Amino acid sequence: SQQGEEDPQALSIQEGENATMNCSYKTSINNLQWYRQNSGRGLVHLILIRSNEREKHSGRLRVTLDTSKKSSSLLITASRAADTASYFCATDRDNYGQNFVFGPGTRLSVLP
Amino acid sequence: EAEVAQSPRYKITEKSQAVAFWCDPISGHATLYWYRQILGQGPELLVQFQDESVVDDSQLPKDRFSAERLKGVDSTLKIQPAELGDSAMYLCASSWGASLTYEQYFGPGTRLTVT
Repeated sequence: SQQGEEDPQALSIQEGENATMNCSYKTSINNLQWYRQNSGRGLVHLILIRSNEREKHSGRLRVTLDTSKKSSSLLITASRAADTASYFCATDRDNYGQNFVFGPGTRLSVLP
Repeated sequence: EAEVAQSPRYKITEKSQAVAFWCDPISGHATLYWYRQILGQGPELLVQFQDESVVDDSQLPKDRFSAERLKGVDSTLKIQPAELGDSAMYLCASSWGASLTYEQYFGPGTRLTVT
């Protein structure tokens, strides 16, 4: 079974709006990463958040982690058409930070 | 900027034929991963190498799939015989280390269509 599950499955917003997507997982983690995938291409790493961290920022990206709720959220502020992509969370499943899995992803469409 | 190279980018093959994919990771990256991604889904880990050793191949269908990384650098993933259900994107990634504390760098992928 998948460790990470993103929601919503699909999200459509206007340029300039904020986009929020969530990742829930079942078992305790050490690390969680978010990746972006443009249509038909490889994944690109966005941000890593460790289990002892609650929030991280990178440019227009803000990631939060709530280990009590076993969930993480990715916020993209002031979205652009170029942010149109699928976003995946990856979580590890063992004490060594290995044995990790990707969720099914959120497809974000930013309309001009 | 260093990139992970994969070839071919596209492959069409008939079922029961053999097919092979090649990956050249970023220089110095000890860990190499092969993923399969079905359209609309997240990547599924098939095999993970640490240098030339397989550290996780629990999701690799070993009756038809094989992977090797003989000198601990580039890697080949083979399918023999290919089945219709193998149609997917095959992604290679590499990283400095094996845990999720390290960023994975992905190649552009090989899109396989089995007819």
